[in-house]
Amino acid sequence: SQQGEEDPQALSIQEGENATMNCSYKTSINNLQWYRQNSGRGLVHLILIRSNEREKHSGRLRVTLDTSKKSSSLLITASRAADTASYFCATDERSLIQGAQKLVFGQGTRLTINP
Amino acid sequence: NAGVTQTPKFRVLKTGQSMTLLCAQDMNHEYMYWYRQDPGMGLRLIHYSVGEGTTAKGEVPDGYNVSRLKKQNFLLGLESAAPSQTSVYFCATNRLTGNYPEQYFGPGTRLTVT
Repeated sequence: SQQGEEDPQALSIQEGENATMNCSYKTSINNLQWYRQNSGRGLVHLILIRSNEREKHSGRLRVTLDTSKKSSSLLITASRAADTASYFCATDERSLIQGAQKLVFGQGTRLTINP
Repeated sequence: NAGVTQTPKFRVLKTGQSMTLLCAQDMNHEYMYWYRQDPGMGLRLIHYSVGEGTTAKGEVPDGYNVSRLKKQNFLLGLESAAPSQTSVYFCATNRLTGNYPEQYFGPGTRLTVT
């Protein structure tokens, strides 16, 4: 089952505007990760936020995490045409085997940046 | 340094045929994963491996088998393909978890079962 639900499913904005995507999840997590997927390609890791962190920045990316609401948001500032892609949140669920990881992905937000 | 590679890139199978997807990594990562991605959906975990000779079931393991005979390779097998297995398959790897939980993905294998 999909742990994460992302909102909106699709977002279209003008170049230079900010893009915000939201992710909600259901169970306790160790960390939450955001990945990007260009059309027809594999996923690329963008940023990770741990369960004891509330906000994290990386370049034009800003991620927030609210564990009380079981939600996260990804903000991309000053968007560029090259940011056009699908963005997925993934929650880290600990498996029964010690140390192993099982990421559970949301359905993704398809972001289109119009020049 | 190729990272994570997958072969083949595309494949069309008829119902009942079998095939093996190969994932290879040159990053010396301990953990390897197989996911499937269906249209408009996120990735779902099929099987994973925490090291050579060890595999475990993920969320959607039925109809698939895996093997990790060498640390750098993780094979996904379909013994009798079904149309429901039409999907894009991604392999991923990462180091021992803790400080490095991010996963590195291959480019994917697009499989169509007719």
